[in-house]
Amino acid sequence: DIVMTQSPLSLPVTPGEPASISCKSSQSLLYTNGFNYVNWYLQKPGQSPQLLIYLNSNRASGVPDRFSGSGSGTDFTLQISRVEAEDVGIYYCMQPLQSPWTFGQGTKVEIK
Amino acid sequence: QLQLQESGPGLVKPSETLSLTCTVSGDSISSGGRSYFWGWIRQAPGKGLEWIATTSFAGEMYHNPSLKSRLTLSVDTSKNQFSLKVSSVTSADTGVYYCAKERRDGFNYVDQWGPGILVTVSS
Repeated sequence: DIVMTQSPLSLPVTPGEPASISCKSSQSLLYTNGFNYVNWYLQKPGQSPQLLIYLNSNRASGVPDRFSGSGSGTDFTLQISRVEAEDVGIYYCMQPLQSPWTFGQGTKVEIK
Repeated sequence: QLQLQESGPGLVKPSETLSLTCTVSGDSISSGGRSYFWGWIRQAPGKGLEWIATTSFAGEMYHNPSLKSRLTLSVDTSKNQFSLKVSSVTSADTGVYYCAKERRDGFNYVDQWGPGILVTVSS
């Protein structure tokens, strides 16, 4: 199985400030079609996870443009340009390249 | 608007079989053709997410090898439902089980999730 490792596991943030989460995979997620197969999800308190980013850098429908994804191969980053109070929750990276699809451990984002 | 809803017992005894059903509303389970699959993901208490298995409306299936020997998946297009069975459960199978819609046509992602159902394995 491909292991996804996130850091940090806890991230206190200040509203209006930027935030960044790292995700490293045990195998390259760059496929022959040129796409990096990494997705990002946010699980808000008491809710199901929701898709933020797919194929490394594509925002899902309705996701604010303050969220962006980048990286290639085995190293990926989710960035929030200016954190808002509604962004609190647990962020997960996930690889859908190889079965079984696997998730990172999660990064808990909370307001300072 | 597509909605997914899990149903099933919230309490299962050790060594017995956990059975869950996901009812899809707002769209047909077969409308996405070969692009969309219908899957299950679980989350142990205080833990991360674990992908379990998925099926197409036509019965093409993928399983997590760590659970495969204990899994049974099925789909009922007439009821717009799909189901999961996990046999010989232990306390390690306790958690919130989500049913989900997956896109698997090169744009691979979990598209939508149900609200989840808590299943506790205990005598």
